[in-house]
Amino acid sequence: DVKVTQSSRYLVKRTGEKVFLECVQDMDHENMFWYRQDPGLGLRLIYFSYDVKMKEKGDIPEGYSVSREKKERFSLILESASTNQTSMYLCASSLSGPDQETQYFGPGTRLLVL
Amino acid sequence: GNSVTQMEGPVTLSEEAFLTINCTYTATGYPSLFWYVQYPGEGLQLLLKATKADDKGSNKGFEATYRKETTSFHLEKGSVQVSDSAVYFCALRAGSSNTGKLIFGQGTTLQVKP
Repeated sequence: DVKVTQSSRYLVKRTGEKVFLECVQDMDHENMFWYRQDPGLGLRLIYFSYDVKMKEKGDIPEGYSVSREKKERFSLILESASTNQTSMYLCASSLSGPDQETQYFGPGTRLLVL
Repeated sequence: GNSVTQMEGPVTLSEEAFLTINCTYTATGYPSLFWYVQYPGEGLQLLLKATKADDKGSNKGFEATYRKETTSFHLEKGSVQVSDSAVYFCALRAGSSNTGKLIFGQGTTLQVKP
C-alpha cells in the first residue's frame, strides 16, 4: 500500500513564525503536491513538484515556498505565518505516466496561526 | 478555464436511502473525472474514476457515469450506510495535463443517520 505521511497532525504557531510542513511518500512517486483545504472552498493547489528540485506554482502560492531535495520528501514552508494561513494542509503524491491521475493523500496537518 | 461545481451540502439521509451528489464540470478537451472521499480525520482517497465519455466508474456500491453531453459526473448509491458518512469531492484532470494536476470541487458532506 502507498503510504504518505505528514510530520504533524496538529500545529499551533504564532504570527510571523517560519513554519515547516514535511511530507514523505514511500512509493517512489515522481509527482508530489501540497493543497490547503478550507470549508466551502474544497482543495486548492499551493505548489507541486514533478521531480527532485523541480517545482511549479499552483493556484495559491503566495506566502508559501517548497523544497524537494529528495524524491520521497516534499516540504512546504510558510516564510512568515499569518492568521489567514490557518487551514488544513494536505500532501499528495502520484506516479507519472498513464496512471498519474490517482493521487494518494496523507492524513493532513491542521495548522492554527495565532 | 477548468472548474468543477458540486451540489452544496450537507446532505443528510437515513440509512438505506438513495444517494445522489451532483457534479458538473467545465473543461477544454477530454478530461478524466474522479470522485474522492474523505472520512473523518483522514486524508482523501480515490473512490472511483472515469477517463472517457460514457464510462461508468464504480466502487463500494457507488457509481458515476461520465456524461459529456451534460458535462456531468453525478455520484449515486442505491442504499447508503452510516459508514458512508464522509466528505465527497469531485475532481477532474485536464486532458492536456502532463503533470497529474487535479482540480477539485468544493466538497459535499454526507451524514447518514441510523
